[in-house]
Amino acid sequence: VLTQSPATLSLSPGERATLSCRASQSVGSSLVWYQQKAGQAPRLLIYDASNRATGIPARFSGSASGTVFTLTISSLEPEDFAVYYCQQRSNWPPSFGQGTRLEIK
Amino acid sequence: QLRLQESGSGLVRPSKTLSLTCEVSGGSISSRGDSWSWIRKPPQKGLEWIGYMFHSGSPSHNPSLKSRVTISVDRSKNQLSLRLTSVTAADTAVYYCARDRGRYGLDVWGPGTTVTVSS
Repeated sequence: VLTQSPATLSLSPGERATLSCRASQSVGSSLVWYQQKAGQAPRLLIYDASNRATGIPARFSGSASGTVFTLTISSLEPEDFAVYYCQQRSNWPPSFGQGTRLEIK
Repeated sequence: QLRLQESGSGLVRPSKTLSLTCEVSGGSISSRGDSWSWIRKPPQKGLEWIGYMFHSGSPSHNPSLKSRVTISVDRSKNQLSLRLTSVTAADTAVYYCARDRGRYGLDVWGPGTTVTVSS
C-alpha cells in the first residue's frame, strides 16, 4: 500500500512543494511519479525514484529514504498545479497512491 | 511519435460486458520489450491499475477484479483490447491505455475514454 501525504497542498507560484509517498513494504527504488491535470491523461514525471522522464523540467526531482519517497518541485510554476500520484513497480500488482492535490493558495 | 487512442462502449448496462480497444499508431504493438497496460480513474477517486499485456504475450490483471478481466492484443490491427464482465456502477470510470515500461513507468498514454455503467 502506498500512502501519499498531504492529501491537499496549497501553495503559491514560486514556492517549493514537497510531496510524500510512503510504502508499507519495501519497493526498492521502483517508484514512479505522475502528474495529472483535469481532463488529461497522467504524465510520467519520475521513474526509479529519482530519474526525470524525457522532457521533464529540472525543477522536478525525486528522492528516497527507505520506504519514504519524496517528489519536490523547487519553484512552482502556474502549470504545476495538478494531482500527483506515485506508483510502485516492485510488488504485485503495481499499485498507485491515492494522490496529492496541489492547489493554488 | 507513438500515439494511443481508446474507444469503445461509453454506456454499459449493469451486469453486461464492457469492451474497449486501444489503437496504437506511430509504432508497433509488437515492439520488442514493450508491454501495454489498462488503467482507470473512477470519479472522485485515484488511479487503479487494471492489468497489462506483457511483451511476451502473457496477460495479467489486478486480482481485485477477480476473473472479470480479459486483456488481449490483435497484432494485425495494432490494437490492445479490454473486456470487463458483470459490470456494476463501481466500474464507472475514465479508462486509459498506456505503454508500460515496468520500473521505467507508463510513459505514453491515450487520452482516455469515459465509461458509465447505468441502466
